[in-house]
Amino acid sequence: DVVMTQSPLSLPVTLGQPASISCKSSHSLAHTDGNTYLNWFQQRPGQSPRRLIYKVSNRDSGVPDRFSGSGSGTDFTLTVSRVEAEDVGVYYCMQGLHWPRTFGQGTKVEIK
Amino acid sequence: VQLVESGGDLVQPGASLRLSCAASGFTFKNYWMHWVRQAPGKGLVWVSRVSGDGSSITYADSVKGRFTISRDNARNTVYLQMNSLSVEDAAVYYCTRDAAGNIFDVWGQGTMVTVSS
Repeated sequence: DVVMTQSPLSLPVTLGQPASISCKSSHSLAHTDGNTYLNWFQQRPGQSPRRLIYKVSNRDSGVPDRFSGSGSGTDFTLTVSRVEAEDVGVYYCMQGLHWPRTFGQGTKVEIK
Repeated sequence: VQLVESGGDLVQPGASLRLSCAASGFTFKNYWMHWVRQAPGKGLVWVSRVSGDGSSITYADSVKGRFTISRDNARNTVYLQMNSLSVEDAAVYYCTRDAAGNIFDVWGQGTMVTVSS
């Protein structure tokens, strides 16, 4: 199975400051169709997961533009330009190219 | 667009349980449907998927031979029949959808399965 490794696993942040989460895949997520199948999900406390970013850098509808995704091949990053209180939760990367689909361990974002 | 899971319960090891996920607001038959689970305090783990017409099915190794996924397109519902449950199967089970590479864009609220003697 493809292993997705996130870091850090815990991320205390100051309100209004930037935050970044790294996600590394054990296999390339680049498809011959030209797309790279890496997604990011947010799970707020007590809620279901919500997709934020698909195919590396495409924001889902309703996702604030302070969230951005970047990367290629096996190395990816989720960046929050200015953290707000509503961003508290756990963030997961997930690869959508290889079977079975696999998620990172999750990064817990909390306010300092 | 909505997915609503049901059927979670407290059962003993070795028991069976059937989960349901009712879909609304989209053309159900056009989507692969998946189950993803999350053990208490743990991360997300993909469990199973079924194609739009039900002809193609895949399972995670951890549930192969014990779980059966199916769907009823007339009822816009996907099911997960879980047999020989063990404590390792205790989790919140989510259903989610996938079409043409647009994966897991909608999730249900989840249904909790507790396995304990």
